[in-house]
Amino acid sequence: NAGVTQTPKFRVLKTGQSMTLLCAQDMNHEYMYWYRQDPGMGLRLIHYSVGEGTTAKGEVPDGYNVSRLKKQNFLLGLESAAPSQTSVYFCASRPPTGGSYEQYFGPGTRLTVT
Amino acid sequence: SQKIEQNSEALNIQEGKTATLTCNYTNYSPAYLQWYRQDPGRGPVFLLLIRENEKEKRKERLKVTFDTTLKQSLFHITASQPADSATYLCALEGGKLIFGQGTELSVKP
Repeated sequence: NAGVTQTPKFRVLKTGQSMTLLCAQDMNHEYMYWYRQDPGMGLRLIHYSVGEGTTAKGEVPDGYNVSRLKKQNFLLGLESAAPSQTSVYFCASRPPTGGSYEQYFGPGTRLTVT
Repeated sequence: SQKIEQNSEALNIQEGKTATLTCNYTNYSPAYLQWYRQDPGRGPVFLLLIRENEKEKRKERLKVTFDTTLKQSLFHITASQPADSATYLCALEGGKLIFGQGTELSVKP
């Protein structure tokens, strides 16, 4: 099993450009999450999904959109990138409640917006 | 507002000693608490989960305590090794998982 994979690993964008980050998991997990990690701030939840076709806002959703068209994939979109979105983005997944609460993280995407 | 605090200063200890990391929280009543390890350039990796009705949990050289009265969790690594050097994150379940900012541990040989 590959676990949780993220594409791309690195990206540099200019202000105003758009992009999509892809997260894929092969563990058949229901729940998937997108976090951003900034120095001294810890991991902050952007959006999450409790199943295929459903998404919900987390702590810092502004400027981001997500889609969960297939159970194994969770996409994070930036429609008009801003320098404040420079960060490391992590995707995570876990089984539904009743199973393990452990979250499995991907390796991260380092995004720089100039 | 809800708040989680971990020591922002790095913890430096000698190999073989016990490392103790602290996680304090306010305005939460978490059902459980988790600890993760994060190495530079990588995603966090789950270590331990402790529930609100458990006082202590152990896994090999790791021990976690959870005091819901003090609103504090302590994370101990006994007989620490240089390979234990990493950033350790605590996370509380309060509807969704909320992470602390992490404490960097450095174990010197």
